[in-house]
Amino acid sequence: KQEVTQIPAALSVPEGENLVLNCSFTDSAIYNLQWFRQDPGKGLTSLLLIQSSQREQTSGRLNASLDKSSGRSTLYIAASQPGDSATYLCAVRDDSWGKLQFGAGTQVVVTP
Amino acid sequence: EAGVTQSPTHLIKTRGQQATLRCSPISGHTSVYWYQQALGLGLQFLLWYDEGEERNRGNFPPRFSGRQFPNYSSELNVNALELEDSALYLCASSWSGTHTEAFFGQGTRLTVV
Repeated sequence: KQEVTQIPAALSVPEGENLVLNCSFTDSAIYNLQWFRQDPGKGLTSLLLIQSSQREQTSGRLNASLDKSSGRSTLYIAASQPGDSATYLCAVRDDSWGKLQFGAGTQVVVTP
Repeated sequence: EAGVTQSPTHLIKTRGQQATLRCSPISGHTSVYWYQQALGLGLQFLLWYDEGEERNRGNFPPRFSGRQFPNYSSELNVNALELEDSALYLCASSWSGTHTEAFFGQGTRLTVV
């Protein structure tokens, strides 16, 4: 049974610092991994999708890496801004049954 | 292009009643997923529909059910509501297939009193 873990559960940084968010999964036989952002009481916004054959994806200040063999992904957010404050979730799709398996998320606060 | 839309945004029901939540996927997407996010808990998988068929179901009682219509929109029904059903219900859609990106709606906040 796939288990997805995100460490740390919460993170507070001053504006301008780089953010490093970690995601680990127990079964490396995944199809892809997706990073999401969730603002309080809102839905999820897709940030990056990494296919199992890829090692990283980049979008603006965001960069996500994937090491499938070790069951790890890292989301880097460069030069953080207060608007980056949110909960960040990673999810893996690991079988033909379609569902995404989510981690519990990392709550990020960027202070001005 | 319109994203995933969910209605209603908020829903207040009394214990024992039935709730119906609706989801319209992104145009062209045939897969729809439902998740429950209770306060302080993670996202729990409820149901997956693809091409009109239920493909997978999470560990929820049978009073949670749904369907997908020919236009790929979907409905989630919760019967005999209990207080612990209070949660944010999220719908996502994607193209059919295992390597596709999922996009979520803004959710329906269900409150059971």
